[in-house]
Amino acid sequence: SQTIHQWPATLVQPVGSPLSLECTVEGTSNPNLYWYRQAAGRGLQLLFYSVGIGQISSEVPQNLSASRPQDRQFILSSKKLLLSDSGFYLCAWRKGPNSPLHFGNGTRLTVT
Amino acid sequence: AQSVTQLDSQVPVFEEAPVELRCNYSSSVSVYLFWYVQYPNQGLQLLLKYLSGSTLVKGINGFEAEFNKSQTSFHLRKPSVHISDTAEYFCAVSGNNDMRFGAGTRLTVKP
Repeated sequence: SQTIHQWPATLVQPVGSPLSLECTVEGTSNPNLYWYRQAAGRGLQLLFYSVGIGQISSEVPQNLSASRPQDRQFILSSKKLLLSDSGFYLCAWRKGPNSPLHFGNGTRLTVT
Repeated sequence: AQSVTQLDSQVPVFEEAPVELRCNYSSSVSVYLFWYVQYPNQGLQLLLKYLSGSTLVKGINGFEAEFNKSQTSFHLRKPSVHISDTAEYFCAVSGNNDMRFGAGTRLTVKP
């Protein structure tokens, strides 16, 4: 069966520090991978998605970036965090457009 | 790109009453539609999905939704709610490769 791992579960970082959140999927190959940010009252905001190694589609032109160095690995990064980057970040995967998303447990990021 | 509008941010309802959570979408391509539920302090769980075929789809926990192409809607319904249905509900639309969510509807079931 397929599983998705996302870490860390919680993170407290000072403003201006770098960020790296990692997500890996097991039990499937060539998944579509996604990063979302969930904020109260705003639903899930799509940040990035990837349909293959090295292929990243960006939805949010902010100080965040994503990379997919391996087939089942998806990384969310920032060189310098802002206070506004605080939130709940979710990684997800699926096989294709008509498949549902499967979510990781999320990372609660607090920028101080 | 696709977009989703959930028309009600909060829906309070009494136990055993019917409920409808509204969802409208916009898209320039054929879409697939989903409803997810998030119980307090838990992750997102798939309720149901519309891919093709019958416009009335049934999901878990007695929920169902109806796809209406002319009205670009995908409303979620349940004939009789329970206290345990208290949660946040998200409508989502899938186009080619992206999946976009609405802002969510918080359903509160009162005794």
